[in-house]
Amino acid sequence: IAGITQAPTSQILAAGRRMTLRCTQDMRHNAMYWYRQDLGLGLRLIHYSNTAGTTGKGEVPDGYSVSRANTDDFPLTLASAVPSQTSVYFCASSVEGDFGNEQFFGPGTRLTVL
Amino acid sequence: GQNIDQPTEMTATEGAIVQINCTYQTSGFNGLFWYQQHAGEAPTFLSYNVLDGLEEKGRFSSFLSRSKGYSYLLLKELQMKDSASYLCAVLDSNYQLIWGAGTKLIIKP
Repeated sequence: IAGITQAPTSQILAAGRRMTLRCTQDMRHNAMYWYRQDLGLGLRLIHYSNTAGTTGKGEVPDGYSVSRANTDDFPLTLASAVPSQTSVYFCASSVEGDFGNEQFFGPGTRLTVL
Repeated sequence: GQNIDQPTEMTATEGAIVQINCTYQTSGFNGLFWYQQHAGEAPTFLSYNVLDGLEEKGRFSSFLSRSKGYSYLLLKELQMKDSASYLCAVLDSNYQLIWGAGTKLIIKP
């Protein structure tokens, strides 16, 4: 593994289903982030984690949950998917969690909720 | 509210120079980032400005004026591979990153 990986690359999901997007980094970064990117809008922060064991809510947290059991992994769960959650999801990490550091992004997961 | 404004799309010619502007209205300021994002790919870091002035990095330069709430990204000697979206993001007083919608740059031969 080099950098940040995300899985799956893409997914089509029926509304109401539960889905977990996976994110793993091997850079030993303390901070990790989940964003969604929609056409015509800037990246919007869903949840973040400044260090293992802690998480925080971003701009659009409703309908999503995260956990940070260790430094490397930061999964994002949609408990009951809705069509408005159709988006491209990016995981990112940075050395420290003050948002003032360069963020390194994973390749993204394209999610379609029908 | 907080707002980042960038042109939606720009077109330029290979070998030329292009300036992509970003204006912001945020609650405080702790720095401004530029990222490049090729279609279907992840954003990658280009620059970070926290003080006024111009910072040059190869063919790319980034300028900041905090008093005007304004930044630009200058790309020189344009290459076809520079066709991408360029994202401006501002770190506000709460150290939250506010992202612009991005400027899609199209390079023509």
